[in-house]
Amino acid sequence: SQQGEEDPQALSIQEGENATMNCSYKTSINNLQWYRQNSGRGLVHLILIRSNEREKHSGRLRVTLDTSKKSSSLLITASRAADTASYFCATGINAGGTSYGKLTFGQGTILTVHP
Amino acid sequence: ETGVTQSPTHLIKTRGQQVTLRCSSQSGHNTVSWYQQALGQGPQFIFQYYREEENGRGNFPPRFSGLQFPNYSSELNVNALELDDSALYLCASSPTPQGLHSPLHFGNGTRLTVT
Repeated sequence: SQQGEEDPQALSIQEGENATMNCSYKTSINNLQWYRQNSGRGLVHLILIRSNEREKHSGRLRVTLDTSKKSSSLLITASRAADTASYFCATGINAGGTSYGKLTFGQGTILTVHP
Repeated sequence: ETGVTQSPTHLIKTRGQQVTLRCSSQSGHNTVSWYQQALGQGPQFIFQYYREEENGRGNFPPRFSGLQFPNYSSELNVNALELDDSALYLCASSPTPQGLHSPLHFGNGTRLTVT
């Protein structure tokens, strides 16, 4: 089963607009990460936020984390056609045992940016 | 710096056959994880290898097995293939196991089709 759930499942915007994707999860986490995937290729790591952090920035990306609500959001500002991709949140836990090392991914948000 | 490479890129097998997928980790990375991504879904954790031993496993049956070699490269073996095994298989490496806040570096995957 998926730990994270992204919302919306699909998002279509015009170039220059901002894109916001949300992620909810169920259990306590060590960190939350966002990845991007272009049409069935490998995933590319975008940003990692630790459970004791509330906000993090990287270029045009802004990630927030609310552990009390078990949710995170990814904001892409001034979007470009090249940002068109699927975006996944993934949660990491440090439970030990057979869960060790596991990242649990959501089902992703498909972002389309129209030129 | 050499990234994560996977081979082959595409593979077609018949139900009941066995398959071996290969992965070379990024230089300097000692941890390799394998994920299965069905069409339209997020990646699902299969297992992780660290120092040539499996140190975390997801909800996959024993017919999914793996190896890690002294040079940190890895293999994923799947026996008795089923139609539902058709998916993109992703290998990811990291400099430490996931419990220590390490982002994953993914290869471009192997697309397996079982007929």
